[in-house]
Amino acid sequence: SQQGEEDPQALSIQEGENATMNCSYKTSINNLQWYRQNSGRGLVHLILIRSNEREKHSGRLRVTLDTSKKSSSLLITASRAADTASYFCATAPIQGAQKLVFGQGTRLTINP
Amino acid sequence: DSGVTQTPKHLITATGQRVTLRCSPRSGDLSVYWYQQSLDQGLQFLIQYYNGEERAKGNILERFSAQQFPDLHSELNLSSLELGDSALYFCASSPGGTYTDTQYFGPGTRLTVL
Repeated sequence: SQQGEEDPQALSIQEGENATMNCSYKTSINNLQWYRQNSGRGLVHLILIRSNEREKHSGRLRVTLDTSKKSSSLLITASRAADTASYFCATAPIQGAQKLVFGQGTRLTINP
Repeated sequence: DSGVTQTPKHLITATGQRVTLRCSPRSGDLSVYWYQQSLDQGLQFLIQYYNGEERAKGNILERFSAQQFPDLHSELNLSSLELGDSALYFCASSPGGTYTDTQYFGPGTRLTVL
């Protein structure tokens, strides 16, 4: 099964509201990354958080990482219609397969 | 625009055929990764090349092969195509050879097998 699992699978909110997506994983990681994908297009890297970091900010994005719970969250504040996309977490496991492992994603819809 | 280019954008072919997908990494990036994205399997890592050499292998079928050329562009060859191979195929690149690095994705090739 996938290393990272996002929750919820789909989220629909009003423009201006905050959106929170969660990611859980199973094994120890080097880092965790969040990517955005607009429908049918390539993934865009949003933020990378290392295993020794707890929180990171980039513009309207805030990512937290709790390695004891093996979970991460992505918060998008003051959402805009352009934030409508799928959001994926990707984990870089320390052991095992030498690859980024992507979750199934959260589909975020921002309603005007 | 990530700087990663992929051609073609769309490809429609028949079962049993062979196709080649092409990827040019960002200027200066030495690693190329190939991924397959389908509705039921999600985003699956296929293979990574670093500076012309295979670095890591994922869920790549024996019918699929890839290579990275001296100019660092890469090609993914898919043969004996089946209906289930219909998917979006992405390549990504990164500066170094470490899978933990940020990866920059191309726009993808949508393959439809009829």
